[in-house]
Amino acid sequence: IAGITQAPTSQILAAGRRMTLRCTQDMRHNAMYWYRQDLGLGLRLIHYSNTAGTTGKGEVPDGYSVSRANTDDFPLTLASAVPSQTSVYFCASSDGDSNGYTFGSGTRLTVV
Amino acid sequence: GQNIDQPTEMTATEGAIVQINCTYQTSGFNGLFWYQQHAGEAPTFLSYNVLDGLEEKGRFSSFLSRSKGYSYLLLKELQMKDSASYLCAVRDSNYQLIWGAGTKQIIKP
Repeated sequence: IAGITQAPTSQILAAGRRMTLRCTQDMRHNAMYWYRQDLGLGLRLIHYSNTAGTTGKGEVPDGYSVSRANTDDFPLTLASAVPSQTSVYFCASSDGDSNGYTFGSGTRLTVV
Repeated sequence: GQNIDQPTEMTATEGAIVQINCTYQTSGFNGLFWYQQHAGEAPTFLSYNVLDGLEEKGRFSSFLSRSKGYSYLLLKELQMKDSASYLCAVRDSNYQLIWGAGTKQIIKP
């Protein structure tokens, strides 16, 4: 692994189903983030974690939950998917310096 | 509220110079970032400004004026591979990134 790995790459999900998007980094970054990106809108923060064991809510947290049991992993769970959660989801990490965020390759989720 | 404004789309010719503007209103300021995002791919880091002035990095330069809440990304000697969206983001007082919607840069041969 080099950088951030997200899985799956894409998924079609029936409404009402539960889904976990996986994110793993090998850079030992303390901070990790989940964003969604929709056409015409900027990246919107769902949840974040400044360090292992802590999490916080972003701009659009409803319907999503996260956990941060260790430094490397930051899964995002949709408890009961709805069509409005159709989006591209990006996981990112940061070591807090001037290099900004490193992004995973994204998960394209379609809820039908 | 917090707001980042960028033009939605710009068009330029291969070999030309283009300037992509970004204005911001945020709760505090702890740096401004520019990212490049090719269609279907993740954003990648281009530049970081925290002090006023111009930062040059090869064909790309970024300028910041904190008093005006303004930045621009300058792309020189445009190449077809520069066709992408360019995202402006400001780190606020909580050290969270606030993102603009991005500028789609179209390059014609």
